[in-house]
Amino acid sequence: QKEVEQNSGPLSVPEGAIASLNCTYSDRGSQSFFWYRQYSGKSPELIMSIYSNGDQEDGRFTAQLNKASQYVSLLIRDSQPSDSATYLCAADSWGKLQFGAGTQVVVTP
Amino acid sequence: DAGVTQSPTHLIKTRGQQVTLRCSPISGHKSVSWYQQVLGQGPQFIFQYYEKEERGRGNFPDRFSARQFPNYSSELNVNALLLGDSALYLCASSLVVNEQFFGPGTRLTVL
Repeated sequence: QKEVEQNSGPLSVPEGAIASLNCTYSDRGSQSFFWYRQYSGKSPELIMSIYSNGDQEDGRFTAQLNKASQYVSLLIRDSQPSDSATYLCAADSWGKLQFGAGTQVVVTP
Repeated sequence: DAGVTQSPTHLIKTRGQQVTLRCSPISGHKSVSWYQQVLGQGPQFIFQYYEKEERGRGNFPDRFSARQFPNYSSELNVNALLLGDSALYLCASSLVVNEQFFGPGTRLTVL
């Protein structure tokens, strides 16, 4: 069993719609969770951090954390073509980030 | 402010050779971590250093080694290269050990 799991996609989203990405993790000791965006051929870029249960919003992005269910999600509102990328979920385990394989998002005009 | 820098950008080596990758963290950041990313997968943790001390090591063979210098820059060394070592090598820096910011990476190709 992988420590962090994500649906690989691709997730096709019409422009202007909401993209919903999900992630589950197995290490109950993880306290910090992150979403990274990675464009093809580029390095991961940190877009959201979340440390406590509930929602964390930043612009068009909302991260949600449920530690009891070991579940993290990312919502992208008003999706734009520039949001087309692979989104990586990461769980912090004593300073070591455990990554999922990523979900590819394709925003269609 | 300058972000994380890595050198070289690309590297081509042959099997059995040795390689050294370099990383300079964001100014003020004292922790550096190294990750390997192969195509289609998420980054895999290799090492973490904080204040020049190794804080963690991932499930990689002893051919992989690293160190951190007094100015907090870091090197990753890989000996006896294998074809399977071909990957994007990422360096990340953080102020403590939580939010990690990645550099552009070094693309290593082993022939």
